[in-house]
Amino acid sequence: GDSVTQMEGPVTLSEEAFLTINCTYTATGYPSLFWYVQYPGEGLQLLLKATKADDKGSNKGFEATYRKETTSFHLEKGSVQVSDSAVYFCALIGRTGGFKTIFGAGTRLFVKA
Amino acid sequence: DAGVTQSPTHLIKTRGQQVTLRCSPKSGHDTVSWYQQALGQGPQFIFQYYEEEERQRGNFPDRFSGHQFPNYSSELNVNALLLGDSALYLCASSLRGQLYEQYFGPGTRLTVT
Repeated sequence: GDSVTQMEGPVTLSEEAFLTINCTYTATGYPSLFWYVQYPGEGLQLLLKATKADDKGSNKGFEATYRKETTSFHLEKGSVQVSDSAVYFCALIGRTGGFKTIFGAGTRLFVKA
Repeated sequence: DAGVTQSPTHLIKTRGQQVTLRCSPKSGHDTVSWYQQALGQGPQFIFQYYEEEERQRGNFPDRFSGHQFPNYSSELNVNALLLGDSALYLCASSLRGQLYEQYFGPGTRLTVT
């Protein structure tokens, strides 16, 4: 079945450092891909999405490019802030099996001032 | 505009008991999905309701059941609780034609002792 694998955390960075969180997927056909963020004590928020190959999703300085050749959707940000500390989830909705969202295990990010 | 609301916030139950969790979708949304998020894991899809019927189901036993009301609100019922059912239960709402745009509630933290 469809699955998402993302890098294990926690990831600890200093403020203004460059962020990359790796995400790869397995799916039949070409799924839609998402990054969600979960701040402490809150529900998940959609951060960005890409629905077809080579699309780039972007929001709040975060970016991710849908790479079908490498089945990847890595999250990047050029300069992180303390307020970016959260858990980040990579997810997909496949083309088969209905509109079930499949999530990765999450990567916790700590940003130090 | 109220977002997705869930009740209760926290709940403690004993093994073998039954529990009902409630969700009110974001205004204008007609589709509700439920997820189980175990500690340190990504959310796992339980099922999805639209037009008061279960439309999609994840890999969860029949002890997990749900209902959607005419006002689009939804309930998740879990019978014969097990210790392993302890988790954060998330509700997400969306529009039937825009299932890629899910809005999540803050969740209900269920602890089974």
